[in-house]
Amino acid sequence: AQSVAQPEDQVNVAEGNPLTVKCTYSVSGNPYLFWYVQYPNRGLQFLLKYITGDNLVKGSYGFEAEFNKSQTSFHLKKPSALVSDSALYFCAVRDLHNTDKLIFGTGTRLQVFP
Amino acid sequence: GAGVSQSPSNKVTEKGKDVELRCDPISGHTALYWYRQRLGQGLEFLIYFQGNSAPDKSGLPSDRFSAERTGESVSTLTIQRTQQEDSAVYLCASSSDDRGRKTQYFGPGTRLLVL
Repeated sequence: AQSVAQPEDQVNVAEGNPLTVKCTYSVSGNPYLFWYVQYPNRGLQFLLKYITGDNLVKGSYGFEAEFNKSQTSFHLKKPSALVSDSALYFCAVRDLHNTDKLIFGTGTRLQVFP
Repeated sequence: GAGVSQSPSNKVTEKGKDVELRCDPISGHTALYWYRQRLGQGLEFLIYFQGNSAPDKSGLPSDRFSAERTGESVSTLTIQRTQQEDSAVYLCASSSDDRGRKTQYFGPGTRLLVL
């Protein structure tokens, strides 16, 4: 079965510092991986995706993610965190064998302190 | 252009009542998905539509849950005889095809509270 894991419930970082939100995956075949962000009382906003090609994927709001096949990871990164980045972040993998539904991790709450 | 919209944004109902949740996908998007997000948890898949057919209903938690879609447009998720454990945010997403490469775009969700 395909799955993703987000090992950290919460990540705290000071504004201006680099941030990393971790995600590992388990799939058969090539993974299609996604990051979404959820602000309070809002739906999910798409940040970026990896389908194929370059392992470093650049997305919205200055975020990027690195696909690492050997470590089965797809960590979300940003060189310099903003207080406004504080939100809930979800990693997801597309279930290619079953109608392309997204399988989500449990989410990581990012808190950026001024 | 307009994104995915959902209505109502909030719904409070009494246990045992039926509720209908509506999703308007992005125009031209053929694929439509419903997910449920319980408090403090990730999203769980409920049902997938391609056009107006539903090839995957595997996530519907019980026969109290049903959904339909009119053409490649509006979808409604119906929960009959609501229970307190149905309280959650119900999210709808649409994408332009179902071939795995297209991104799912989410609506703002309907927050359902069953008293």
